[in-house]
Amino acid sequence: EAEVAQSPRYKITEKSQAVAFWCDPISGHATLYWYRQILGQGPELLVQFQDESVVDDSQLPKDRFSAERLKGVDSTLKIQPAELGDSAMYLCASSRRQGGDEQYFGPGTRLTVT
Amino acid sequence: QQQVKQSPQSLIVQKGGISIINCAYENTAFDYFPWYQQFPGKGPALLIAIRPDVSEKKEGRFTISFNKSAKQFSLHIMDSQPGDSATYFCAASKGTNAGKSTFGDGTTLTVKP
Repeated sequence: EAEVAQSPRYKITEKSQAVAFWCDPISGHATLYWYRQILGQGPELLVQFQDESVVDDSQLPKDRFSAERLKGVDSTLKIQPAELGDSAMYLCASSRRQGGDEQYFGPGTRLTVT
Repeated sequence: QQQVKQSPQSLIVQKGGISIINCAYENTAFDYFPWYQQFPGKGPALLIAIRPDVSEKKEGRFTISFNKSAKQFSLHIMDSQPGDSATYFCAASKGTNAGKSTFGDGTTLTVKP
């Protein structure tokens, strides 16, 4: 069964350092999402891609966060500089198309900023 | 402003019992209401979803009840099993873009053997 792959699974970084997360969606899935899930809360959408284009990044803190999906396949989410409040689970999900389709989530990257 | 409120925060049920988790939403434009199941260390997985043109949807032991006038929907897990122990999230979105779902804060379900 195809799965969304994410790496690393865990990341500990110091405040003000740069950190990057990688996501490989299910093959053939045109839509890719990055979510942030703070402990005890539901996921919050950060950015949504349709192929290589950003569809929605309204909740992405653009002063420190960036995301790219250059070839419309895998994607990278970067934080620079990291802040203590960025400690959370970062989830990637993909779906075959933008509308009306089930999202498949990856296992997430647990980020701890010290 | 939290658009989707979920309760209870945690729930303990005996094996074989019925687990009920409730959600309430504010935005009447929402028209897609999924429930996700999340095990520790895993991402959420879609469990069951409903659109407001029906009041109930059943898949196996899982049932969604939907009350459009009250802007509420709930998940019922019949014959709860220890393997159902997980965190459950309700969500809501408008249009066909499920990716813009607003999630509840989750309910941690423990099913005791």
